[in-house]
Amino acid sequence: EVQLVESGGGLVQPGGSLRLSCAASGFTFSSYDMHWVRQATGKGLEWVSAIGTAGDTYYPGSVKGRFTISRENAKNSLYLQMNSLRAGDTAVYYCARARSDPYYFDYWGQGTLVTVSS
Amino acid sequence: QSALTQPASVSGSPGQSITISCTGTSSDVGGYNYVSWYQQHPGKAPKLMIYEVSNRPSGVPDRFSGSKSGNTASLTISGLQAEDEADYYCSSYTSSLYVFGTGTKVTVL
Repeated sequence: EVQLVESGGGLVQPGGSLRLSCAASGFTFSSYDMHWVRQATGKGLEWVSAIGTAGDTYYPGSVKGRFTISRENAKNSLYLQMNSLRAGDTAVYYCARARSDPYYFDYWGQGTLVTVSS
Repeated sequence: QSALTQPASVSGSPGQSITISCTGTSSDVGGYNYVSWYQQHPGKAPKLMIYEVSNRPSGVPDRFSGSKSGNTASLTISGLQAEDEADYYCSSYTSSLYVFGTGTKVTVL
């Protein structure tokens, strides 16, 4: 059974940093692209970052230069380093497994809440 | 990258059919057959319902179907059931990036 379990969320002050983790199990982690998607309370889904099997990374303009996605295949783990956090980054952050060509997200974790506030 | 446009809400009675639209541009929805749809119940993670415009993953009821015309994709739920009440999001791949729709709340009357 595919499982994705996020951790590392919490309360952080504006300008601060936080590192999220996602523990994967039930599949060959190194063979899949992985993503982070966030959702502010009462709002829609927003794609945050992606990392390919070769370690190539992708970001939307809203987080580029502030967030860094990485993976550690030996530990079946995905990470998101978030720096220079703003109030607008407050959201539940989901880890998601992705299929490539066709492109879609087939499994999601339950999410971890990040709150940016003073 | 702007969010894809969906109606804020759609409602229907049990047994009826409803359709949710998802409008993008020729750079996303219109340019690729990589539209997917996700169902999200309150407090839960999204669940894949449709991928590659019209394909259903195993375990998704066949009352869910997808289609696309030009820059607009659609999700149709036939024979609406109480458990279909949820938020629905479309998504499109576009040149190594992904974009989601604004989301549609489906209410079963």
